[in-house]
Amino acid sequence: KAGVTQTPRYLIKTRGQQVTLSCSPISGHRSVSWYQQTPGQGLQFLFEYFSETQRNKGNFPGRFSGRQFSNSRSEMNVSTLELGDSALYLCASSRDAPRAYEQFFGPGTRLTVL
Amino acid sequence: DQQVKQNSPSLSVQEGRISILNCDYTNSMFDYFLWYKKYPAEGPTFLISISSIKDKNEDGRFTVFLNKSAKHLSLHIVPSQPGDSAVYFCAASGSGTASKLTFGTGTRLQVTL
Repeated sequence: KAGVTQTPRYLIKTRGQQVTLSCSPISGHRSVSWYQQTPGQGLQFLFEYFSETQRNKGNFPGRFSGRQFSNSRSEMNVSTLELGDSALYLCASSRDAPRAYEQFFGPGTRLTVL
Repeated sequence: DQQVKQNSPSLSVQEGRISILNCDYTNSMFDYFLWYKKYPAEGPTFLISISSIKDKNEDGRFTVFLNKSAKHLSLHIVPSQPGDSAVYFCAASGSGTASKLTFGTGTRLQVTL
């Protein structure tokens, strides 16, 4: 079974631009979650989508948004990029309950904001 | 407010010996606990999980122990192998928000020959 895939793997943007990251979950997984990893804050939960609806949300500003499509693929968008948005963005997918907590991560997208 | 804490930033263990990684949590609403292994610039790899109704779960060389009264969990790796060298994260979630993982800060394990 193929794992979680994320595209692109690397991105360089400048302040004020926006960016869209893509994630394809493991086949059969309907939940997709996004995380941000930075040296200062560690791994932090952004949001989770299930059946095209945002089900959980972390403490990030509204510049961070996402969506999920009917095939469970998900995109994450960051608008008006700031230097502090430079991070590794990770996507994870999971099965439905009762094992929804076991999340399987993709390789991540490294975003650099200049 | 760090709800999941890994107080040891690094650990060095000889090949063949036991590695014990520790994790403490403060939120009594957490019901599920997981351990992940991570290499730089890669996504975390799921290792093992445990729910709060159990105190031990074993999978091959990996065993996770949960002490709910102490709000403490540990990961035992026996025997340790050089390929185990990586950063290990513990994570936790609540039953109402099972997919929302709260991660610790990680422990870098180095297994020496």
